[in-house]
Amino acid sequence: DAKTTQPTSMDCAEGRAANLPCNHSTISGNEYVYWYRQIHSQGPQYIIHGLKNNETNEMASLIITEDRKSSTLILPHATLRDTAVYYCIVRVVGGANSKLTFGKGITLSVRP
Amino acid sequence: SAVISQKPSRDICQRGTSLTIQCQVDSQVTMMFWYRQQPGQSLTLIATANQGSEATYESGFVIDKFPISRPNLTFSTLTVSNMSPEDSSIYLCSGVAGVETQYFGPGTRLLVL
Repeated sequence: DAKTTQPTSMDCAEGRAANLPCNHSTISGNEYVYWYRQIHSQGPQYIIHGLKNNETNEMASLIITEDRKSSTLILPHATLRDTAVYYCIVRVVGGANSKLTFGKGITLSVRP
Repeated sequence: SAVISQKPSRDICQRGTSLTIQCQVDSQVTMMFWYRQQPGQSLTLIATANQGSEATYESGFVIDKFPISRPNLTFSTLTVSNMSPEDSSIYLCSGVAGVETQYFGPGTRLLVL
């Protein structure tokens, strides 16, 4: 079973920030938080990951709470092409258990 | 990063036949996986493809139905055997570059009639 919970769906206006929440209250100390997205009919695309500290790359920012029980993926300026299913996943890095287990994800709809 | 390609990209097959899907990575990856995505569903892990040894299957998946090979660090195949309409899905190959980041191929869309 997936170890994260996400809302089923959300929408935001084009050009605005999209803040996607994720709860992972049972996360272990050696588990990272990963975000992927899947645009219709394509393979999942890696977005970002982090352990404890906030992370930022060219696609998004990841904000992890101090207790690590939840996180937020931020798309700073959403475009129509960001419409996709976004998956929040916790994963152990390295070793036999380092595999991604997908939940249902959150469907983000960006409206014009 | 790693770029993953799959062949074929899609296929329509008759029930009772088998299809082999190829996965090629442009660089060496430490681990490779095969996933299935049934219509309207999330991804489900089928197995971990182990180089030079038998794959490690997840619960509900067996080697007779989904034989997997991984002869080297950049290539793997998944065969869907004795297909039925219930096997109609997207099959995705995935590889871990380094230890931290897992990348996915574009998927193979299979329709079984």
